[in-house]
Amino acid sequence: GAVVSQHPSRVICKSGTSVKIECRSLDFQATTMFWYRQFPKQSLMLMATSNEGSKATYEQGVEKDKFLINHASLTLSTLTVTSAHPEDSSFYICSASERGTEAFFGQGTRLTVV
Amino acid sequence: AQSVTQLGSHVSVSEGALVLLRCNYSSSVPPYLFWYVQYPNQGLQLLLKYTTGATLVKGINGFEAEFKKSETSFHLTKPSAHMSDAAEYFCAVTPSGGSYIPTFGRGTSLIVHP
Repeated sequence: GAVVSQHPSRVICKSGTSVKIECRSLDFQATTMFWYRQFPKQSLMLMATSNEGSKATYEQGVEKDKFLINHASLTLSTLTVTSAHPEDSSFYICSASERGTEAFFGQGTRLTVV
Repeated sequence: AQSVTQLGSHVSVSEGALVLLRCNYSSSVPPYLFWYVQYPNQGLQLLLKYTTGATLVKGINGFEAEFKKSETSFHLTKPSAHMSDAAEYFCAVTPSGGSYIPTFGRGTSLIVHP
């Protein structure tokens, strides 16, 4: 089946620094990638949708200048959390869709800002 | 517009017992429906999906779900629970015929007792 690789799986950073999370589709071309945030014991909250070569579409309430999303190729999307603060600590998950009928999920990234 | 309701944030069963996780949806257009499983600190794994055709869908790990349009339901079942089934389960809906942008339920935590 289709594989989506998300890296890193865990990251700890200091407050004020930036962190980049990568999401790669390994065996298919991802025309659309999604970024989610998940709080403990809660469902996934869609942050943004990105199409290859286009600017990401952010959900209401998500700061696009804080959560920079780049989808430069059909196999790679990145999420950069800029000037991270402790409240940005969370579990971030990406997913990738090829034909629009379903998406495949990465393993998630646990971000801890200290 | 679409929404998903998962009844019961926690479901507890004994090993070997029937598993039933409930999912009801609302959608203004014919839906595609999905069940995902999430293990701790991991991404989501697709268990099964309904798009078109047979309304009883079989998935991985012995799970199955039945799409009942008249009841707007897509309940997940498994005849005999294993300890390894303990996880978080998410039901999701996306409109058919368009882009895959799912709406997730809040999740149901399955607890399996020995």
